[in-house]
Amino acid sequence: DAGVTQSPTHLIKTRGQQVTLRCSPKSGHDTVSWYQQALGQGPQFIFQYYEEEERQRGNFPDRFSGHQFPNYSSELNVNALLLGDSALYLCATYLFGTSGSYEQYFGPGTRLTVT
Amino acid sequence: KQEVTQIPAALSVPEGENLVLNCSFTDSAIYNLQWFRQDPGKGLTSLLLIQSSQREQTSGRLNASLDKSSGRSTLYIAASQPGDSATYLCAVSGNAGNMLTFGGGTRLMVKP
Repeated sequence: DAGVTQSPTHLIKTRGQQVTLRCSPKSGHDTVSWYQQALGQGPQFIFQYYEEEERQRGNFPDRFSGHQFPNYSSELNVNALLLGDSALYLCATYLFGTSGSYEQYFGPGTRLTVT
Repeated sequence: KQEVTQIPAALSVPEGENLVLNCSFTDSAIYNLQWFRQDPGKGLTSLLLIQSSQREQTSGRLNASLDKSSGRSTLYIAASQPGDSATYLCAVSGNAGNMLTFGGGTRLMVKP
């Protein structure tokens, strides 16, 4: 546990609505990545933020957008929700660890259900 | 494009067995490989990380190996326990701090 927190824990939305998920990295972790994990699958990379800018992006539509604040916390916004957006959304930070390599640390996730 | 595959997708074993989980990746130009554990509905817990220059890492009853040239990694769990029941995910990173590409996971059930 690297102290990454996410909110809310669960939420239910209706198709077409918009949602905002939040992530707070541990102090000193300046890079935040977001992943989507559909039921029974491995997580898929959405995007990564560093110094308040999107640095990398996975194969997700523009309906998925994000923001990073000066304190390094981050938001993931999804517009025009589809049933297929139902998933566990994971936030991750990374730090140079005792392994001698950059390691990624994950938060507990937000479970989004779209009805 | 990196692709990661995990075999088997699901595994059920009696308590006490030694077992091996497999992970393969298509692009050998990796920075590191991580094995994670995920309990139902929860986040990911890092188990072991192997740098691209390393061959294996050990933590308690867990041993992970890496053969970068053949694009394979294995996670060995010794003397399995019911508490080991979870989904195990492997993921590779192409560069330092870069995105992780995950396999689909192996769902492990250890029966008492």
